[in-house]
Amino acid sequence: KNQVEQSPQSLIILEGKNCTLQCNYTVSPFSNLRWYKQDTGRGPVSLTIMTFSENTKSNGRYTATLDADTKQSSLHITASQLSDSASYICVVSDRGSTLGRLYFGRGTQLTVWP
Amino acid sequence: EADIYQTPRYLVIGTGKKITLECSQTMGHDKMYWYQQDPGMELHLIHYSYGVNSTEKGDLSSESTVSRIRTEHFPLTLESARPSHTSQYLCATVNLGGGELFFGEGSRLTVL
Repeated sequence: KNQVEQSPQSLIILEGKNCTLQCNYTVSPFSNLRWYKQDTGRGPVSLTIMTFSENTKSNGRYTATLDADTKQSSLHITASQLSDSASYICVVSDRGSTLGRLYFGRGTQLTVWP
Repeated sequence: EADIYQTPRYLVIGTGKKITLECSQTMGHDKMYWYQQDPGMELHLIHYSYGVNSTEKGDLSSESTVSRIRTEHFPLTLESARPSHTSQYLCATVNLGGGELFFGEGSRLTVL
């Protein structure tokens, strides 16, 4: 069964600290993996998208890694800010149709305290 | 900045009412989706469209219907709302060639 599991479910860190969020998936065949940030009451916004051949991709203070062999991805946030408080969603696409079927994780709820 | 818009952002209605959630995009994208999202849960696909006059049901059984008469618009309609329809509804769009998936800001529906 194709699944996307994220951990931890929630995380609280102090402003300025780093953190790493995990995403494990069983989706096959794999096409790409995306990380989204979703502020409370808003729609998800794309942070990164990685294909099979990409190991790491950065977007400012966000760095995503992908290990397609172990089917694991991580999102590292450096020097966290209060505005980083949000839900971070991992989305994996298979190679089915033109775009591929999308599989969503439940997200990690990150809270950054001052 | 994605050009995809959802209205209304918030809606509180009584049971049995008919409602339509609007989704519009100005990017000329072919594929559009409707997702349902409850707190702490993953997004569930309820409808999608590959283009004009093309609509399909998603994974989550839904009593809603959609239409795609124009590329820009993908409205979702509930003929008779029930409290179980209370949720956040997210519209998304992407080009047929794949790539980035853009989401609207969502419509938060509460049925009393």
